[in-house]
Amino acid sequence: SQTIHQWPATLVQPVGSPLSLECTVEGTSNPNLYWYRQAAGRGLQLLFYSVGIGQISSEVPQNLSASRPQDRQFILSSKKLLLSDSGFYLCAWSDEWGEQYFGPGTRLTVT
Amino acid sequence: GQQVMQIPQYQHVQEGEDFTTYCNSSTTLSNIQWYKQRPGGHPVFLIQLVKSGEVKKQKRLTFQFGEAKKNSSLHITATQTTDVGTYFCAGEGDNYGQNFVFGPGTRLSVLP
Repeated sequence: SQTIHQWPATLVQPVGSPLSLECTVEGTSNPNLYWYRQAAGRGLQLLFYSVGIGQISSEVPQNLSASRPQDRQFILSSKKLLLSDSGFYLCAWSDEWGEQYFGPGTRLTVT
Repeated sequence: GQQVMQIPQYQHVQEGEDFTTYCNSSTTLSNIQWYKQRPGGHPVFLIQLVKSGEVKKQKRLTFQFGEAKKNSSLHITATQTTDVGTYFCAGEGDNYGQNFVFGPGTRLSVLP
C-alpha cells in the first residue's frame, strides 16, 4: 500500500532563517506531487505541483521554492522565511484518478 | 482564474440535525472532489464526482454534482459528533493541465 511521509511535524523558525521541508511517498511510481499551505482556519492554497523529476510548477509567486530530486521525493524550501510563511504545510500525491492523498503535515511557526 | 467558493463558512448543528454545504465554481469543472479534515488533522478524500447531475451516497452523506458542472453539494443526514470537521470541495477545471482548486471549506460543529 502507499504511504506518504512528511517531516518535521512541527517547526519553529526565526524570520530570515532558511527552510527545508521534506516529503516522500512509498508504494507508487511517478506520482503527481503537491505542496499546499493552509493558514490558520483557512482553506488549502496550492503552492507547487510536480508531474515528474525536476518538473516543478509554481501556482503562487513567493519566497518559497520546490524541488523534486527523486521520483518520490518532494522538497519545499526557502532561503529567508517571512512571518507570513507561518502555516500548516501539506504534501500530497495523486493517483491516475486524481484522488489526492495528504501527508500528516508540518506546522511551521515563524517568529 | 478559476475560483471555488463554499457556503456556509461555519455551521453549528445539534446532533441529529441535517447539514448541507454548497460549493460553487466560477468556471465549468471536469470533476469535483470532497475532503474532510478533522481538527488538527490533514484532509482525507471522501469522494469524486465526474458526471453532470451525478449523485453519490456514502451512508449518511449524499454528494451531488450540478447539471452545469459548476456547483456541488454535500448533505449529511442526522449528524453525529464524529462528523465534526471542515469539509472542503476541490474542483478541477475542464481545461487541460488545470489543477484542483480548493474551496475555503465549511467548518461543522456538532453539539451533543
